[in-house]
Amino acid sequence: DSGVTQTPKHLITATGQRVTLRCSPRSGDLSVYWYQQSLDQGLQFLIQYYNGEERAKGNILERFSAQQFPDLHSELNLSSLELGDSALYFCASSVDLTGGRTQYFGPGTRLTVL
Amino acid sequence: QKEVEQDPGPLSVPEGAIVSLNCTYSNSAFQYFMWYRQYSRKGPELLMYTYSSGNKEDGRFTAQVDKSSKYISLFIRDSQPSDSATYLCAMSGGDSGGSNYKLTFGKGTLLTVNP
Repeated sequence: DSGVTQTPKHLITATGQRVTLRCSPRSGDLSVYWYQQSLDQGLQFLIQYYNGEERAKGNILERFSAQQFPDLHSELNLSSLELGDSALYFCASSVDLTGGRTQYFGPGTRLTVL
Repeated sequence: QKEVEQDPGPLSVPEGAIVSLNCTYSNSAFQYFMWYRQYSRKGPELLMYTYSSGNKEDGRFTAQVDKSSKYISLFIRDSQPSDSATYLCAMSGGDSGGSNYKLTFGKGTLLTVNP
């Protein structure tokens, strides 16, 4: 158990809908990262937050957004969902801004868009 | 060319074999090199990390980094059925800000160790 929690574990929804994925980092970790894992693309970095502020963006679509709250939990919002958004979404956390070698991953949320 | 290339396998070995997993990369800014293990339907678990070039050993696992060749390896000695998983290499840049903190992953190698 990494100490990172994610809810829900599974999510099934329809195209065009909007969903929110939630992540609670390890106790004491200030940095949160979101990743998407699909069969064809592998694990792709989406976005990073540090202590409530956005710090880095990766291959995140404009239909996706995220935020980190004062209690350090983070939410990833996916809207206007398409079939291709079906994937595993992971949250990772690290104690500081640099992360790098010490990112700990949660169990993931499996999103299925029908 | 992808930033990180990793042979997806699958790789099947008998119990007790030495396993060699490899990745190549193209971005010379990468400074931190990691190996993650991912069991089916689980999150990636950090196994090893190495800063810059060199070797690092932890029990049955040895990680090697050759920055001159842009090539990293993970060796597993005395492999066990419980080692059966997908192994992902990951890399990140130095601590100079921007998006250097993100991890760039290989696609993973599926390993099966047969009893």
